[in-house]
Amino acid sequence: DAGVTQSPTHLIKTRGQQVTLRCSPKSGHDTVSWYQQALGQGPQFIFQYYEEEERQRGNFPDRFSGHQFPNYSSELNVNALLLGDSALYLCASSRTGGFFQPQHFGDGTRLSIL
Amino acid sequence: AQKITQTQPGMFVQEKEAVTLDCTYDTSDPSYGLFWYKQPSSGEMIFLIYQGSYDQQNATEGRYSLNFQKARKSANLVISASQLGDSAMYFCAMRENYGGATNKLIFGTGTLLAVQP
Repeated sequence: DAGVTQSPTHLIKTRGQQVTLRCSPKSGHDTVSWYQQALGQGPQFIFQYYEEEERQRGNFPDRFSGHQFPNYSSELNVNALLLGDSALYLCASSRTGGFFQPQHFGDGTRLSIL
Repeated sequence: AQKITQTQPGMFVQEKEAVTLDCTYDTSDPSYGLFWYKQPSSGEMIFLIYQGSYDQQNATEGRYSLNFQKARKSANLVISASQLGDSAMYFCAMRENYGGATNKLIFGTGTLLAVQP
C-alpha cells in the first residue's frame, strides 16, 4: 500500500521563476493538503483540495495556486519565486469526513531559491 | 484564535528512560483533535498518536501515550523506554471540527529530542 508520494525531492530555482510540485495521495484518500515548512519552524497550511476544488486556504498570496486531478493527485504551483519561498513543501492526504483520522504526509519537496 | 504552543525547543533523554514533551493549545471549538507527529532529519512527518476532545481516556500507542488534561488545555506526549531512533523533531498539532470538513492542521514550533546512549 503506497503512501503519499511527492516529486521532485529537491529543486533549485532562481528568483522570479515558477515551480510545480506534485503529490499522489495515499490509496483510499481523496483530500490533499499542502504545507510549507520553513527551516526551524512548524508546517504552515497553504491550502486543501477536495473534489478538484480548493476548499480551504491559509494565509498565502495568490502566487501560490494548486490543482487536483480526477485521480486525486495534486499539484502546487508557485509563481514569481522569492527568496522567502525556500522551504520544505509537504503534501498530506486524508479521507473526507475522516476527522478522527490523521493526515498522512509525504517526504516533502525541498525547494531552494537562489 | 487557534494556537499550539510547545515551550521546549530541545530536550535530552538517556536511552531507556521516559521523556515528556509539552504541548498546550488554545481553541474555542468544543470539538477538536490533537495529533503528535515525529519528523526525523530526513524530513518526512510520521503520525504517532491522536486524542479527540471528547475521548474519556488518554490515548496510547505502543511506547507513546498522550497525557490529555482538557481543563488545562494541555496534551503532553510521553515516550517510554526511549530508543536512539527516537531522536527527531516532534510536533504537536490540532484540528478543529467546525463545519464537519477535514480541516487544516495547526502545528506548534516543535521540540527537538536527542536520545543519548
